[in-house]
Amino acid sequence: AQSVTQLDSQVPVFEEAPVELRCNYSSSVSVYLFWYVQYPNQGLQLLLKYLSGSTLVESINGFEAEFNKSQTSFHLRKPSVHISDTAEYFCAVRGKAAGNKLTFGGGTRVLVKP
Amino acid sequence: SAVISQKPSRDICQRGTSLTIQCQVDSQVTMMFWYRQQPGQSLTLIATANQGSEATYESGFVIDKFPISRPNLTFSTLTVSNMSPEDSSIYLCSVGRGTGNTIYFGEGSWLTVV
Repeated sequence: AQSVTQLDSQVPVFEEAPVELRCNYSSSVSVYLFWYVQYPNQGLQLLLKYLSGSTLVESINGFEAEFNKSQTSFHLRKPSVHISDTAEYFCAVRGKAAGNKLTFGGGTRVLVKP
Repeated sequence: SAVISQKPSRDICQRGTSLTIQCQVDSQVTMMFWYRQQPGQSLTLIATANQGSEATYESGFVIDKFPISRPNLTFSTLTVSNMSPEDSSIYLCSVGRGTGNTIYFGEGSWLTVV
């Protein structure tokens, strides 16, 4: 069994300020880790993922996340947010074995203020 | 990535009726997944749809309420039967593809039951 905890349900942040969204997981097996973004009135888009290799992964729009195995965390960061980053962000985990299911955290709503 | 098309994108339905949501993928995939996102909530897996066999339902979801078809490797349908206002949700189709069998989502079908 696995679970994902996103510690903040809402994060208000001013434009051009940094933001960090926290994600912790628990699992008895090795996992893949994902961040998805849901813009208002849209579906889910994959933001970035950790499968193996470097523990620091980046997206094309300036977000990065670091896999910390000892702390079982996969926090998402952006050094300077834009108004367009206003969205809900979901952390998700899936066991590496075939057939394992994707488990989502509760989501973090980011509201970027001008 | 994957191109996943869902129909309808939005609908308002009368209670007691049923609605079938269609999901079309741009190329063949072994497994397709249906998720539900209730208002203000995270995503919950309804079932896994495998071509040539019955869908596998998660705890709390039953075939009579959410019958699923998977006639080929690029298409699936989810029916929401005998709808009640509690069924008002976003229903998302998803597929696994590529390294780590990364899960990609369609834009969702936004269902309101009145």
